[in-house]
Amino acid sequence: EPEVTQTPSHQVTQMGQEVILRCVPISNHLYFYWYRQILGQKVEFLVSFYNNEISEKSEIFDDQFSVERPDGSNFTLKIRSTKLEDSAMYFCASSEFLSSASQYYEQFFGPGTRLTVL
Amino acid sequence: AQSVTQLGSHVSVSEGALVLLRCNYSSSVPPYLFWYVQYPNQGLQLLLKYTSAATLVKGINDFEAEFKKSETSFHLTKPSAHMSDAAEYFCAVSEGSGNTGKLIFGQGTTLQVKP
Repeated sequence: EPEVTQTPSHQVTQMGQEVILRCVPISNHLYFYWYRQILGQKVEFLVSFYNNEISEKSEIFDDQFSVERPDGSNFTLKIRSTKLEDSAMYFCASSEFLSSASQYYEQFFGPGTRLTVL
Repeated sequence: AQSVTQLGSHVSVSEGALVLLRCNYSSSVPPYLFWYVQYPNQGLQLLLKYTSAATLVKGINDFEAEFKKSETSFHLTKPSAHMSDAAEYFCAVSEGSGNTGKLIFGQGTTLQVKP
């Protein structure tokens, strides 16, 4: 069964360093998402991406964050200069199409990358 | 704007007892509603979803939820708790139309199952 994969499973970095989190969405999917979950808190939407453009981003997704689909298979989240508060689990998700009022398309989640900023 | 409220951050039940996890939502358009489960140090697993078909939705592991529009609720139930049900449960909402697909999650409810 197709699944969303994420690498690495755990990333440790020093404050101020750049990190790139990688995701491989399901191959025929067109819509991509990043979410994060700070330890002990709820899952929060970061950004949605379609047709090589950001569709929507949350207030969390500031100028330190960027997303890219560099090669048609990977979907990456870059944090330019990490802060302690960026420590969280980051989930990638993808869906085949966008749900409408009459048709639902499931969003499939990857296993997550745990980012630890020291 | 959409929002999700889960009543009770922590619920404790005895093995074999009824599980009831509460979720209320707000949405300006007919929503899609979801329950996800997260076991320790793992990702999100979809338990069940409401996508405007039957209001009573059955999911995996004997969980079910009922969409009640008049109460804007989507409570999760299971007739008999197992020890293996101990986990974090998240209710989530997505707009059915005019959206970019984002899911809005509730704060989560930790389910403890006592022997």
